[in-house]
Amino acid sequence: AQSVTQLDSQVPVFEEAPVELRCNYSSSVSVYLFWYVQYPNQGLQLLLKYLSGSTLVKGINGFEAEFNKSQTSFHLRKPSVHISDTAEYFCAVSDPSSYKLIFGSGTRLLVRP
Amino acid sequence: GAGVSQTPSNKVTEKGKYVELRCDPISGHTALYWYRQSLGQGPEFLIYFQGTGAADDSGLPNDRFFAVRPEGSVSTLKIQRTERGDSAVYLCARSGVGGLAIYGYTFGSGTRLTVV
Repeated sequence: AQSVTQLDSQVPVFEEAPVELRCNYSSSVSVYLFWYVQYPNQGLQLLLKYLSGSTLVKGINGFEAEFNKSQTSFHLRKPSVHISDTAEYFCAVSDPSSYKLIFGSGTRLLVRP
Repeated sequence: GAGVSQTPSNKVTEKGKYVELRCDPISGHTALYWYRQSLGQGPEFLIYFQGTGAADDSGLPNDRFFAVRPEGSVSTLKIQRTERGDSAVYLCARSGVGGLAIYGYTFGSGTRLTVV
């Protein structure tokens, strides 16, 4: 069975500082990996996804993530955050034949001025 | 989110009552999903529709939960004899051709259900 672990429930950071949100997964098969963002009172929005190819994936709003198969990780990074990046971020995993996404418990990014 | 409408946005009900939550995927996608997001948790899969039929309802927690999609578009999630533990945000999503997760989901804004 697949699972996703987001160890940090909340990450506070000052505006314009870099940030990394951690995601580790477990799976016995090849995986597809996703990051979603949820702004207050809104639905989840796809930030980026890894399907195959280059392990460095670039997404919207300046975010990027790196797939590391040996460490079973897919950490999300941004070199300089804005107040508007304050939101809940979810890592998710799927396998190539699946219609289901398995989500982590989420990390709340809190950007302070 | 754009493209998936959920109503109501908030629902407060008394324990033991029956509730219906509605999802309209707006555009003509055949694949539709329901997820439940409890406080402090990520979304958890409930049920997946391909057209009018439930292709996988393995995530429904018990027989108090039921979902329909009679015309292959709008779906209704029905909860009987609600319990306080049913309180959560119920999310609806649609996906691209074939229904596979790799095409990405478009989520609605959810219905926040509170059972008092």
